[in-house]
Amino acid sequence: SQQGEEDPQALSIQEGENATMNCSYKTSINNLQWYRQNSGRGLVHLILIRSNEREKHSGRLRVTLDTSKKSSSLLITASRAADTASYFCATESDYKLSFGAGTTVTVRA
Amino acid sequence: EPEVTQTPSHQVTQMGQEVILRCVPISNHLYFYWYRQILGQKVEFLVSFYNNEISEKSEIFDDQFSVERPDGSNFTLKIRSTKLEDSAMYFCASSVWTPRTGELFFGEGSRLTVL
Repeated sequence: SQQGEEDPQALSIQEGENATMNCSYKTSINNLQWYRQNSGRGLVHLILIRSNEREKHSGRLRVTLDTSKKSSSLLITASRAADTASYFCATESDYKLSFGAGTTVTVRA
Repeated sequence: EPEVTQTPSHQVTQMGQEVILRCVPISNHLYFYWYRQILGQKVEFLVSFYNNEISEKSEIFDDQFSVERPDGSNFTLKIRSTKLEDSAMYFCASSVWTPRTGELFFGEGSRLTVL
């Protein structure tokens, strides 16, 4: 299947620390997107990185994409309690966006 | 800020009953989607809709499911005869461009509980 798989499944860090999560996928993609979901809420788009891009930044977020390894990473720097959420990577192929199972991040105050 | 709105937020129904979940996408968006998320599991694509017809659907989206855009604003998902395994959170999303080009905007979801 095309969908990404996130790793780790869960991550617990102290406020102020960085959080890194990874996404691997199986076939070629046109872009990869990261979304965030607070418990029981809808998904919110964070960042989109195209297949010809290697790195992208948005505020405290840094996303990398390695198409040769079919993997992406999301780094959240200087985490805050409000960053506690599930983070999903989504891969686009055939005009369809497919999501992985997500990484649950808990930021301890 | 414009947002995707979904109703109801929670629906409880008996197995075998028909359910209609409603969505109002963002007004200038052209592409519409339904996804579902069984509790604690991945977000699964159901269907995408453009120009008043289905453009893509997954194997989950069988004959029990249908979508409709009955007027210029609403986008509905109908489940004809609900099963226990249809219990999930259903998310509507919309976008200006296809996912190849841009992001999807999601609603807050409709939780469906089938008893």
